[in-house]
Amino acid sequence: DGGITQSPKYLFRKEGQNVTLSCEQNLNHDAMYWYRQDPGQGLRLIYYSQIVNDFQKGDIAEGYSVSREKKESFPLTVTSAQKNPTAFYLCASSKIQGYTEAFFGQGTRLTVV
Amino acid sequence: KQEVTQIPAALSVPEGENLVLNCSFTDSAIYNLQWFRQDPGKGLTSLLLIQSSQREQTSGRLNASLDKSSGRSTLYIAASQPGDSATYLCAASITGTASKLTFGTGTRLQVML
Repeated sequence: DGGITQSPKYLFRKEGQNVTLSCEQNLNHDAMYWYRQDPGQGLRLIYYSQIVNDFQKGDIAEGYSVSREKKESFPLTVTSAQKNPTAFYLCASSKIQGYTEAFFGQGTRLTVV
Repeated sequence: KQEVTQIPAALSVPEGENLVLNCSFTDSAIYNLQWFRQDPGKGLTSLLLIQSSQREQTSGRLNASLDKSSGRSTLYIAASQPGDSATYLCAASITGTASKLTFGTGTRLQVML
């Protein structure tokens, strides 16, 4: 089945730790995205990538880092510099031109303990 | 900067009722508009995508319209069912950043038996 796989589903982070969220897609999409969702707020864009080895900051990139070494993979690292990391993180992918329907993974819920 | 607003924030209707969810956007240079469904604790499921050259799209009991001149999109749900209960999100992309979406905060729909 084609789709986007995020792992883990739940993640717990201690203060001062870096953690990495995984996102893999087999849709052959060029673009991949990371969004953060907080209660009562819309999705906010953290980072996006339209081509391997290139990525751009979104609206709330501070405290996060990404890499795009393979077309299929776009991992997100939440660093200790992110002061309020508890949130629901969603990964998405799409084509970059034409019919750019976005598809989402099932999300990772990150909690600071 | 594109801003997307959804009103109402929550809606409760009896089963069988036809209903309309509203989405407004500020930048009329829209590339496409996409409607999603989100169940609690889950990722987003794409429902419909309307490209800028289109005025509406239909899928089953769902019909989405787009009016760029007024900055509005509507999602019409016919003969609502309890299984339609979810949060509905709209997202817009603008010309030049075709695949980058800006989300509204969603409408939480409850369909009662």
